[in-house]
Amino acid sequence: AQKITQTQPGMFVQEKEAVTLDCTYDTSDQSYGLFWYKQPSSGEMIFLIYQGSYDEQNATEGRYSLNFQKARKSANLVISASQLGDSAMYFCAMRSVRTGGGNKLTFGTGTQLKVEL
Amino acid sequence: DAMVIQNPRYQVTQFGKPVTLSCSQTLNHNVMYWYQQKSSQAPKLLFHYYDKDFNNEADTPDNFQSRRPNTSFCFLDIRSPGLGDAAMYLCATSRDIGQGVSEQFFGPGTRLTVL
Repeated sequence: AQKITQTQPGMFVQEKEAVTLDCTYDTSDQSYGLFWYKQPSSGEMIFLIYQGSYDEQNATEGRYSLNFQKARKSANLVISASQLGDSAMYFCAMRSVRTGGGNKLTFGTGTQLKVEL
Repeated sequence: DAMVIQNPRYQVTQFGKPVTLSCSQTLNHNVMYWYQQKSSQAPKLLFHYYDKDFNNEADTPDNFQSRRPNTSFCFLDIRSPGLGDAAMYLCATSRDIGQGVSEQFFGPGTRLTVL
């Protein structure tokens, strides 16, 4: 079974500062994928960044980067130059391939990020 | 813009009264998912369609059913809603390309209230 752990229920960061959101995972799969999603108060889940287990380089997407440490089973999200619009719930998720096709995402419990002036 | 649309955004139903939530997509993705997200919790997969093939999660109650009449539409039917079924219901789609990224694109969700 797969498990995602996010130990920070809430985080505060000042505008323009960088922030790291922690995520650790547990899986027996050799091949897996890790995602980060942002969920504003409106409810929609917004895909941010993806890291494949065999990717040698850490993923980056604009102000988002993923600090992937495979041996430690961690996949922390780093947001640089925080903006007020970054205030939201952030979920780390792991993909497993389902019997019959498609992918199942197992989500962590999330981290509520608040960006302050 | 290509997107995932959910209707209605807010749904109120009575205890035991059947309700149907709707999801449509313009992405032409072959996989559609339904997640349940209770307050302050992570989304939990209920089931998904891979093309026309229905795949149920083992712990999804029988009270929850789904239909996918065509590629674009997918419905979530709750036959006899209980108070514990009050939640946000998220529809998502993905294009299954094997071991690629295949990120899931989510709709805005339908918040269900059961009175």
